[in-house]
Amino acid sequence: GESVGLHLPTLSVQEGDNSIINCAYSNSASDYFIWYKQESGKGPQFIIDIRSNMDKRQGQRVTVLLNKTVKHLSLQIAATQPGDSAVYFCAEWGGATNKLIFGTGTLLAVQP
Amino acid sequence: DAGVTQSPTHLIKTRGQQVTLRCSPKSGHDTVSWYQQALGQGPQFIFQYYEEEERQRGNFPDRFSGHQFPNYSSELNVNALLLGDSALYLCASSSLAPGLGTEAFFGQGTRLTVV
Repeated sequence: GESVGLHLPTLSVQEGDNSIINCAYSNSASDYFIWYKQESGKGPQFIIDIRSNMDKRQGQRVTVLLNKTVKHLSLQIAATQPGDSAVYFCAEWGGATNKLIFGTGTLLAVQP
Repeated sequence: DAGVTQSPTHLIKTRGQQVTLRCSPKSGHDTVSWYQQALGQGPQFIFQYYEEEERQRGNFPDRFSGHQFPNYSSELNVNALLLGDSALYLCASSSLAPGLGTEAFFGQGTRLTVV
């Protein structure tokens, strides 16, 4: 398949700390990237996106960083809250293929 | 404004049967993509519909077929169900801009269990 997700990496943080979730993407031609949050039993929820002509974009409590040189994305969550506990996926828009390709998810566990 | 809606939310089928899943895209969106998500894995792209035609297809057998209606809603059909088809089936809607990525919003999914 096109998405790789065998054993979910887990990030455990204390409530109030900042979280950084990393993702490596596969296609150097990808020009658009999205971070999704997925809670148990629910569909992925759009968090933030970034185009390849940018290297940083900020939202409410979240920041996405893009490093095209090493094909790396990160999602930073400020002042992490228990409600942030979920699996986080990065997805790349595969250039001319017009479809989203998902990376390996990361389970974020927020300790109270 | 209704988001992406999928029906049913849960479904149990017997091996060998056929199933139809339904999706209504977000208002203003004209493109529907279907994904299969196995437990503990990321969504895998099945296919995408735009202007009532299949535009892209992932690595899924012909048992997986779909349709898009003039109102942009879509169906996913799976024939000859296998136990391995048990998964969460997700529908994503977007507004297709050729060559450009666009926001894709997902429905809550249909949990299919094949027994």
